[in-house]
Amino acid sequence: DADVTQTPRNRITKTGKRIMLECSQTKGHDRMYWYRQDPGLGLRLIYYSFDVKDINKGEISDGYSVSRQAQAKFSLSLESAIPNQTALYFCATSDRLFLNEQFFGPGTRLTVL
Amino acid sequence: QQQVKQSPQSLIVQKGGISIINCAYENTAFDYFPWYQQFPGKGPALLIAIRPDVSEKKEGRFTISFNKSAKQFSLHIMDSQPGDSATYFCAASRNNAGNMLTFGGGTRLMVKP
Repeated sequence: DADVTQTPRNRITKTGKRIMLECSQTKGHDRMYWYRQDPGLGLRLIYYSFDVKDINKGEISDGYSVSRQAQAKFSLSLESAIPNQTALYFCATSDRLFLNEQFFGPGTRLTVL
Repeated sequence: QQQVKQSPQSLIVQKGGISIINCAYENTAFDYFPWYQQFPGKGPALLIAIRPDVSEKKEGRFTISFNKSAKQFSLHIMDSQPGDSATYFCAASRNNAGNMLTFGGGTRLMVKP
């Protein structure tokens, strides 16, 4: 969905490096999410934010941190990347009035060597 | 422990055939069951969804069948087309938990011409 953008789209990094993935949305939604996708495991929630001042841990938050800089921007950081964080990362948004549909960005493929 | 189990992991169907993907859930508090479709290089997008007060929902060639007592639901794609080749994810959420989605592991569908 072009309304949800992610940068970078691909990233290769080394173990121990700090990485930031960025997400921006023009949908005007107040809720934003970060997921990781691994083969056979589907999408698992890392962090979510219901508004700028409300940030919550998801199912697999260890090793990750987030920042909600504005309603439209939600960043995911890996403070010290490790190889098992190699995955496809997705940002998503939803509207508080229509909670059930989430709109996903195109994803960031991260490889940690 | 996956709360939503999806099968099969991969599926090959001939053009014109019926594709069937199954999901089972454990948490009886789930009250919304969507299916997401993901094409290569794209983020997932909502395809169709059902609530447990109905046993079936149909949208074009896509049908969800829901069995509350068995805690199972399935996606049927009638007259499958090569353009339906994608990865499909079932999911579940509950209204009193902020509508957070729990995804199944995904099914990679290939429709052969």
